Amino acid sequence: EAGVAQSPRYKIIEKRQSVAFWCNPISGHATLYWYQQILGQGPKLLIQFQNNGVVDDSQLPKDRFSAERLKGVDSTLKIQPAKLEDSAVYLCASSSGRHGSALFFGSGTQLSVL
Amino acid sequence: DAKTTQPTSMDCAEGRAANLPCNHSTISGNEYVYWYRQIHSQGPQYIIHGLKNNETNEMASLIITEDRKSSTLILPHATLRDTAVYYCIVRMEYGNKLVFGAGTILRVKS
Repeated sequence: EAGVAQSPRYKIIEKRQSVAFWCNPISGHATLYWYQQILGQGPKLLIQFQNNGVVDDSQLPKDRFSAERLKGVDSTLKIQPAKLEDSAVYLCASSSGRHGSALFFGSGTQLSVL
Repeated sequence: DAKTTQPTSMDCAEGRAANLPCNHSTISGNEYVYWYRQIHSQGPQYIIHGLKNNETNEMASLIITEDRKSSTLILPHATLRDTAVYYCIVRMEYGNKLVFGAGTILRVKS
């Protein structure tokens, strides 16, 4: 079974530029999550989708971050404009959403904002 | 979601069992205990989860106390590749997010 795919693996941009990350979840998984992990900390949830609807985006900085999940499969996370403090690893995870189901994570995109 | 308390770091000798404790004294009846680990430069990896009973899979065993206020993750024969940050997370039963703490840094030494 293929895992969660993310791209790119690394990205370096200058502050005030825009950037986008892509995620392809495990086939059939209805729930998709984007997490931000700053160096030395545990991952923090940014947004959770159930199919193509947003379930939780309370921690998403909506003035600069946006995310969508077209057709309830792939998802993109965008930052525009980027700030220095956005330097982090952006992790995508998916789960079936069924009773007691685990989340499975991709390898993440490491973003450096200079 | 209930909060968890884990030691900041632990050391374990290669080939020995690694026992990682977790306190979750405010856990409620419909919350599961999940364990993940994160090896450097990788995404978190699912290990095991349980509700009330002890659980075992090919990676580890999970021992949950009868009052469910604490649990222990056991790696029966630790190897150098088990060096990682281990997260204990309490999660609601249905389709809810995982809230990560700081975790325990496990160092397996030869």
